[in-house]
Amino acid sequence: SAVISQKPSRDICQRGTSLTIQCQVDSQVTMMFWYRQQPGQSLTLIATANQGSEATYESGFVIDKFPISRPNLTFSTLTVSNMSPEDSSIYLCSVDTTGYGYTFGSGTRLTVV
Amino acid sequence: DQQVKQNSPSLSVQEGRISILNCDYTNSMFDYFLWYKKYPAEGPTFLISISSIKDKNEDGRFTVFLNKSAKHLSLHIVPSQPGDSAVYFCAATISDGAYSGAGSYQLTFGKGTKLSVIP
Repeated sequence: SAVISQKPSRDICQRGTSLTIQCQVDSQVTMMFWYRQQPGQSLTLIATANQGSEATYESGFVIDKFPISRPNLTFSTLTVSNMSPEDSSIYLCSVDTTGYGYTFGSGTRLTVV
Repeated sequence: DQQVKQNSPSLSVQEGRISILNCDYTNSMFDYFLWYKKYPAEGPTFLISISSIKDKNEDGRFTVFLNKSAKHLSLHIVPSQPGDSAVYFCAATISDGAYSGAGSYQLTFGKGTKLSVIP
């Protein structure tokens, strides 16, 4: 199965600033998925990122707040912009592992103060 | 509206006994279901899955049962081991019967159940 390197693993940020989260996959994948897990909540899909095209955002998530880049088939970034304490969550990237479900990065624990 | 529900936030089981984790869903279009295990500070790890054309899938100590009429699935762990202590997420997707891991299926997750296996 694919191996994902996600960083940073955690960060504490000031409100109003932005944080970019990176995910590097050890194999080429068509789609990458970005999830958010707020405290006590399920994992919620933010967007799906295809290489070479704009990401597709789920309801409640917008590109201005969560811009995503997908420059090639092994890498993607998610930026959390103009952060507020409500953005404090765990953010995870994920790729499909053919026939074996999905593989997730280790997650980025973000705290906004 | 939560389409995938895990109504038990936590479960404690003695080592060696059976752990049963439950999951209910409301969207009748879901046709592929997955269970993930998550340790603290790690991403979820795929555990086992089941297609809606089956009612049972077994992999070692892990068995998933699907009751489509009740829109209910459960994960059985027998025997439970202390290393099984983790948060377990149920997830569902609409694959239209074509799930082959092609990478285009979006998952809907439950909130998770924290399993504690007591030695």
